[in-house]
Amino acid sequence: QKEVEQNSGPLSVPEGAIASLNCTYSDRVSQSFFWYRQYSGKSPELIMSIYSNGDKEDGRFTAQLNKASQYVSLLIRDSQPSDSATYLCAVKLGGATNKLIFGTGTLLAVQP
Amino acid sequence: DADVTQTPRNRITKTGKRIMLECSQTKGHDRMYWYRQDPGLGLRLIYYSFDVKDINKGEISDGYSVSRQAQAKFSLSLESAIPNQTALYFCATSADATNEQYFGPGTRLTVT
Repeated sequence: QKEVEQNSGPLSVPEGAIASLNCTYSDRVSQSFFWYRQYSGKSPELIMSIYSNGDKEDGRFTAQLNKASQYVSLLIRDSQPSDSATYLCAVKLGGATNKLIFGTGTLLAVQP
Repeated sequence: DADVTQTPRNRITKTGKRIMLECSQTKGHDRMYWYRQDPGLGLRLIYYSFDVKDINKGEISDGYSVSRQAQAKFSLSLESAIPNQTALYFCATSADATNEQYFGPGTRLTVT
């Protein structure tokens, strides 16, 4: 089992809709979770971090964390064509290590 | 603006050649990382450093070495490049144990 799993997509949503991106992880003691956006040929850009169970909102983005289910998600409201990118989920491993493990990403396509 | 820069941005080299990729940052962060990204495999950690005297192997360090010349500089070397080291290489930095990592623009390396 991969440590961080994401559906590779593509996830296609119409402009103005809510895009829902999901991520599961295997390390039960992980405490820190991140969402990155990566446009084709560009570097990953941090858009959200979440550390506690529940929801965290930042503008059109909402991150949701459920540690019991080992599940983290990203909702993008009022999706725009400019949101079309690959979204990477990253999890900081628990214990003494300070490494991030990245999922392979979900490609989001917002249709005008 | 505080930033992470990488040189070169693109490099084509031949099998067996030595090559160095350089990373500099003006963010004042202590922690620096080198990743490679391959289609379908996501981001994988090569080496990381938490300060000038600290170097740690990541999950795919074989065939690579690093040097942390100063707080702001972290170089990655391929002593004898091979074709399967063709990839997109990213440097990243983080300030503290929250591990919010910020990426440089990347180096596209092709080994022929």
